[in-house]
Amino acid sequence: LAKTTQPISMDSYEGQEVNITCSHNNIATNDYITWYQQFPSQGPRFIIQGYKTKVTNEVASLFIPADRKSSTLSLPRVSLSDTAVYYCLVALRAGNMLTFGGGTRLMVKP
Amino acid sequence: GAVVSQHPSWVICKSGTSVKIECRSLDFQATTMFWYRQFPKQSLMLMATSNEGSKATYEQGVEKDKFLINHASLTLSTLTVTSAHPEDSSFYICSARTNYEQYFGPGTRLTVT
Repeated sequence: LAKTTQPISMDSYEGQEVNITCSHNNIATNDYITWYQQFPSQGPRFIIQGYKTKVTNEVASLFIPADRKSSTLSLPRVSLSDTAVYYCLVALRAGNMLTFGGGTRLMVKP
Repeated sequence: GAVVSQHPSWVICKSGTSVKIECRSLDFQATTMFWYRQFPKQSLMLMATSNEGSKATYEQGVEKDKFLINHASLTLSTLTVTSAHPEDSSFYICSARTNYEQYFGPGTRLTVT
């Protein structure tokens, strides 16, 4: 399973765009990249998933370069409620979330 | 989106007793269910994977006789923590998979006194 590396923590302010980068140098050809958000004492919540280039949904964008060895989760105009831990996972499609890395603890300040 | 529920959401038990946690997929049939454990300020750690009607596959270091998993139907999996000890206090999260989608439950906070 591909290992992922993310920054341990990040600080931001309300209204700013936040970009969290994840490294996954050993990603396999059939692996997808998925990001989850977790609030304290809650289960992880799916944010976005992608295979290559760019994916955008109503809450975030995911940028994946051609070599797929990294990916960047972009959160536009964050609010206080976006304070959470964000996990990047690499797995075969979306149904194999076996290995969670350390995640990135995002703190959004007023 | 699909919903996974867990019951109870929190439980306190005495050392030496057993506790059962239920995980249900409410609006879909789950071919596979996963159980994770999460200690404070740490990431989720996979404990076991179970497919309906077959024995669970446990991760290295997880005692299968202590953490009994039953996946009796496509919508229900249970985790029983037997002879619980204070060090078993943790946040237990289940996840259910259907085709290529995986959904997580809200978690169960177990405190063993």
